[in-house]
Amino acid sequence: DAKTTQPNSMESNEEEPVHLPCNHSTISGTDYIHWYRQLPSQGPEYVIHGLTSNVNNRMASLAIAEDRKSSTLILHRATLRDAAVYYCILRVLDSGNTGKLIFGQGTTLQVKP
Amino acid sequence: DARVTQTPRHKVTEMGQEVTMRCQPILGHNTVFWYRQTMMQGLELLAYFRNRAPLDDSGMPKDRFSAEMPDATLATLKIQPSEPRDSAVYFCASGLQGGSGNTIYFGEGSWLTVV
Repeated sequence: DAKTTQPNSMESNEEEPVHLPCNHSTISGTDYIHWYRQLPSQGPEYVIHGLTSNVNNRMASLAIAEDRKSSTLILHRATLRDAAVYYCILRVLDSGNTGKLIFGQGTTLQVKP
Repeated sequence: DARVTQTPRHKVTEMGQEVTMRCQPILGHNTVFWYRQTMMQGLELLAYFRNRAPLDDSGMPKDRFSAEMPDATLATLKIQPSEPRDSAVYFCASGLQGGSGNTIYFGEGSWLTVV
């Protein structure tokens, strides 16, 4: 399965932007880049996804490198509620065209008041 | 708000007992996934279904685990017999497949402790 590499942990100050990096040098042309986050004692929660172009939604922005070998999740103004484990995942298709998520270790984001 | 519903939320059982976890996917979703999370291994994909048909269960210990979808509104994960090493959080997720861009939604998990 295609792999991603993320820093184990990052810190941010409240109300400042946060840039969470992810490397995925083995990405193939049809792999979508997905970001999920997991708050303490909860299930993973969808954040954003993209294929080639940068994406924005109400939660975050996703910046994808031109060669697609890396991406960055951007939280524009971190709040204490954004403290979570953030997973960068390549959603790959199996032989039957079903996409599945294979989670790595993720980045633990701490937000300081 | 549509959501994936899992039961039980918490379960403590003795080693050797049978455990059944249930999942109600979001109405209309055609793909269901079972994950297990432990501190040591993180989130592991155990099995998944599309249109109720099992596609891949290679992540599951075959001798004691089984996963089924009796109908479109119910997925089950059974452990028989349970062992202390099965203690983990088990997540069910569902999605509507139509390409790899589709979102998967997770339930809140079933927290299993085997003593």
